[in-house]
Amino acid sequence: GAGVSQSPSNKVTEKGKDVELRCDPISGHTALYWYRQSLGQGLEFLIYFQGNSAPDKSGLPSDRFSAERTGGSVSTLTIQRTQQEDSAVYLCASSPQGLAGGREQFFGPGTRLTVL
Amino acid sequence: AQSVAQPEDQVNVAEGNPLTVKCTYSVSGNPYLFWYVQYPNRGLQFLLKYITGDNLVKGSYGFEAEFNKSQTSFHLKKPSALVSDSALYFCAVRPSSGNTPLVFGKGTRLSVIA
Repeated sequence: GAGVSQSPSNKVTEKGKDVELRCDPISGHTALYWYRQSLGQGLEFLIYFQGNSAPDKSGLPSDRFSAERTGGSVSTLTIQRTQQEDSAVYLCASSPQGLAGGREQFFGPGTRLTVL
Repeated sequence: AQSVAQPEDQVNVAEGNPLTVKCTYSVSGNPYLFWYVQYPNRGLQFLLKYITGDNLVKGSYGFEAEFNKSQTSFHLKKPSALVSDSALYFCAVRPSSGNTPLVFGKGTRLSVIA
């Protein structure tokens, strides 16, 4: 079946502009995660959605970052007033039933964001 | 708070030789431990995980990892490396209870030389 998809694959923007990154999780997966991968920094957790529960936003680095998940499926990560330090690969992942039972996460290919 | 350390940024090994990619962790309570691999321009792929039971876990592509509670380690191993194993490897941990998302290490780049 189809895996996690993300769009766009690459995004170049100017400092100060807003960007939206999209994630389509695997059908039927109730949990969705956003991570940021910066060079030499590994994966940094941003936000986690599980079903209808309030999202865990503890990883969002500033109030310029926000995310929503509509209808329990597609998610959009929005970065307002982008800064050069926002340049990174943004990865989305989904899992069948959240974090219970040690279920693995399935990752999308990522969106490479470059802020000039 | 949990954390993962991958002490080697880069590991080089000759094709056919055994390989080890090191991982140590810190977590409250019992851990769930994972290894993921990232090939160039690709997303992360799940390799294997330790949840409970046998300390030696076998995963995809001939990889295995051994959970060592006393040393808080979960090193990734393969008896005979292939050039196609060259990639970026990430170790991740979360506590077995609660809803804390996975915490990843910074990754180790494995280069297998023919």
